[in-house]
Amino acid sequence: GNSVTQMEGPVTLSEEAFLTINCTYTATGYPSLFWYVQYPGEGLQLLLKATKADDKGSNKGFEATYRKETTSFHLEKGSVQVSDSAVYFCALSGWGAQKLVFGQGTRLTINP
Amino acid sequence: DAGVTQSPTHLIKTRGQQVTLRCSPKSGHDTVSWYQQALGQGPQFIFQYYEEEERQRGNFPDRFSGHQFPNYSSELNVNALLLGDSALYLCASSRGTGGSSYEQYFGPGTRLTVT
Repeated sequence: GNSVTQMEGPVTLSEEAFLTINCTYTATGYPSLFWYVQYPGEGLQLLLKATKADDKGSNKGFEATYRKETTSFHLEKGSVQVSDSAVYFCALSGWGAQKLVFGQGTRLTINP
Repeated sequence: DAGVTQSPTHLIKTRGQQVTLRCSPKSGHDTVSWYQQALGQGPQFIFQYYEEEERQRGNFPDRFSGHQFPNYSSELNVNALLLGDSALYLCASSRGTGGSSYEQYFGPGTRLTVT
């Protein structure tokens, strides 16, 4: 079945550092890929998405590129802020099935 | 424009009891999905409702059941509660079914504690 694997956390960085959170997936066909963010005590917010190979999703300075050859969708940001501290989830949705399959999440803490 | 709303926010139940959680989808959305998020884990898909029918189901026992009403709101029912059912229950809404690029919008969740 479909699955998503994220890099182990937690991740702690200083403000203005470069961020990479790795995500790889296993899926049949051509899934859509998503990054969701969860702030403390809240539900999930869609951060960005990509629906086909080589697409780049971007939002709020975050970017991720759909790499079919490496089955990856790594999240990057050039300069993180304290307000980026949250848990980040990589997820996929297979064609014809809206259900989302999530990775285990990566807790990110940014220190000032 | 109201987003996805869920009630109650928190709930404490005893083993063996039954619980009902409620969800109202975002305006214009007709599909509701439910997810269970255990502490420190990613959400797990429970089931999805569209046109008042269960369309997809994840790997959850029959103790988990649901309903969708004509106004697209939905309920999640869990019978014979177990300690392991303690989790954050998330509702997500979207528009239509089929395809994979429909965005799902999540509510704030209901925190269920089973003692």
